[in-house]
Amino acid sequence: KAGVTQTPRYLIKTRGQQVTLSCSPISGHRSVSWYQQTPGQGLQFLFEYFSETQRNKGNFPGRFSGRQFSNSRSEMNVSTLELGDSALYLCASSLDVAGRTGELFFGEGSRLTVL
Amino acid sequence: AQSVTQLGSHVSVSEGALVLLRCNYSSSVPPYLFWYVQYPNQGLQLLLKYTTGATLVKGINGFEAEFKKSETSFHLTKPSAHMSDAAEYFCAVTGTGANNLFFGTGTRLTVIP
Repeated sequence: KAGVTQTPRYLIKTRGQQVTLSCSPISGHRSVSWYQQTPGQGLQFLFEYFSETQRNKGNFPGRFSGRQFSNSRSEMNVSTLELGDSALYLCASSLDVAGRTGELFFGEGSRLTVL
Repeated sequence: AQSVTQLGSHVSVSEGALVLLRCNYSSSVPPYLFWYVQYPNQGLQLLLKYTTGATLVKGINGFEAEFKKSETSFHLTKPSAHMSDAAEYFCAVTGTGANNLFFGTGTRLTVIP
């Protein structure tokens, strides 16, 4: 069974640009959660999608957005990039809503560098 | 409301020594507790979980954790550290009827040869 796939794995952008990251969950999983991980702030929850609906959202500005498609694949977008957006972005999928199961399956992440 | 506190952002142990990583939780409902591990340049991986039943749970790679309700703790242990255990460990909590999974700030484990 294929795991969670995130693309791209590495990318470099400049301030002011926008970026789109993609996540393909494990087959049959309906929930996709996104996290930002930085050395200073640790693991921070961005949002969770379940059956194409955003269920939960963390405390991030509106520049961070996401969506989920009918096949459960998800994308997140960051507009008007800032230096502080440099981070590892992790996607995690689960069979049910993350809070109900607690069992998340993580991808290897997309490492974004903003110059 | 739920939260977890991991005491010690960095822990160093000698190879072969006991590993003890501390996690205390707060939960208004019966908790479900988890430990995840993150190896360098990888995503997180579930190490073990407690939902109901036996309070001592065993996970992969020889790790185990004990749910102690009276102490609101879920500490992670391993009798003998191996070099391959060097990683970052995250405690997480959700619970009956809860909708969110909360992660702790992580503990980086270093194993000294």
